[in-house]
Amino acid sequence: AQRVTQPEKLLSVFKGAPVELKCNYSYSGSPELFWYVQYSRQRLQLLLRHISRESIKGFTADLNKGETSFHLKKPFAQEEDSAMYYCALKAPGNQFYFGTGTSLTVIP
Amino acid sequence: DAGVIQSPRHEVTEMGQEVTLRCKPISGHDYLFWYRQTMMRGLELLIYFNNNVPIDDSGMPEDRFSAKMPNASFSTLKIQPSEPRDSAVYFCASRGLADNEQFFGPGTRLTVL
Repeated sequence: AQRVTQPEKLLSVFKGAPVELKCNYSYSGSPELFWYVQYSRQRLQLLLRHISRESIKGFTADLNKGETSFHLKKPFAQEEDSAMYYCALKAPGNQFYFGTGTSLTVIP
Repeated sequence: DAGVIQSPRHEVTEMGQEVTLRCKPISGHDYLFWYRQTMMRGLELLIYFNNNVPIDDSGMPEDRFSAKMPNASFSTLKIQPSEPRDSAVYFCASRGLADNEQFFGPGTRLTVL
């Protein structure tokens, strides 16, 4: 069963514009959700996790249990935000389920 | 710590050949994960180990794929025989018992001709 859905494979926005990367999940319990990012020629790394309720590099993500969503948002996109973004859900048993990823391009 | 180490970084082989990918997790980490990344399917979990024991291999696509972890500092993912559709980037990741974050290696880009 698909647990994490990222509906957009590709997303392009202009520099300075707001950006939202969508993530929806299906899970019966209380999920732990994460966003991972992979910059060009770098390894995949954790961007943020919902339990921390933090803002990293201007990005935030709010867990909406009613809509089962964990969208990643940034009010003003920067060129250095261009990367591949993966939404992930951690299930009991320490298994992570990743979405198919969204490739973000910020146009100068 | 150099982080998770994978080798080789790139592998080009011909269909039917055996391919072995290697991973060295971060020292002290209890969990090791193997993922496959493709454009169509994104990041798929193939198998993961806890304390060197395979816990869930339901993501391994076929019997052609096998993974071992003979000790806490080394794991292999083997494909025999390889096929063109196996072409992908294969990632290894590790995690400590108390961590929520997975630490990824740089990946191995496999091309099967």
